[in-house]
Amino acid sequence: DTGVSQNPRHKITKRGQNVTFRCDPISEHNRLYWYRQTLGQGPEFLTYFQNEAQLEKSRLLSDRFSAERPKGSFSTLEIQRTEQGDSAMYLCASSPFDVPYGYTFGSGTRLTVV
Amino acid sequence: AQSVTQPDIHITVSEGASLELRCNYSYGATPYLFWYVQSPGQGLQLLLKYFSGDTLVQGIKGFEAEFKRSQSSFNLRKPSVHWSDAAEYFCAVGGLEYGNKLVFGAGTILRVKS
Repeated sequence: DTGVSQNPRHKITKRGQNVTFRCDPISEHNRLYWYRQTLGQGPEFLTYFQNEAQLEKSRLLSDRFSAERPKGSFSTLEIQRTEQGDSAMYLCASSPFDVPYGYTFGSGTRLTVV
Repeated sequence: AQSVTQPDIHITVSEGASLELRCNYSYGATPYLFWYVQSPGQGLQLLLKYFSGDTLVQGIKGFEAEFKRSQSSFNLRKPSVHWSDAAEYFCAVGGLEYGNKLVFGAGTILRVKS
């Protein structure tokens, strides 16, 4: 068990470019979550998967954001046409089905849009 | 609105002194309550959680928290702070109305002076 892995750790991109982040959850965890954390704030929920099904999306997740978990294992979060307001830490967490809120967080991907 | 308030943005304590970080929540039903710690550039680590039962909860690293329903509070305490406790601390709430997601407070940054 190597924990939740997120790549890349840091990403600097120009405004208008597309970026994709990857999250590899703990292998036996079938639930996967994406949160966004801006400076001076706590994490805010973006979306949640159970296996490959995306069960909930926050209204924070605009049309420029898309998340997938194609085989119920790793997940990707893509942001199209990045804006400076997208600069944040993107956190992934996973949990087992039978442990309520049994989150394990990854170390996050820090996105800076210039 | 359902929310979590951490009134103190920064707290500075001397090493060896006691610590209390405040958390107030607004939630209609019985909440599930959590404290997480985040070191710079890292993900979140669970310190402790309250679901039901004994209102005084023990966690890792010598931390404890007390659920007070009448005050809608879940304050985090430690009797003697170590320099390695310097980090940001987040209170979070979950429950049936939130589904599987957590709502986080804005965090309290703890500085420890020697």
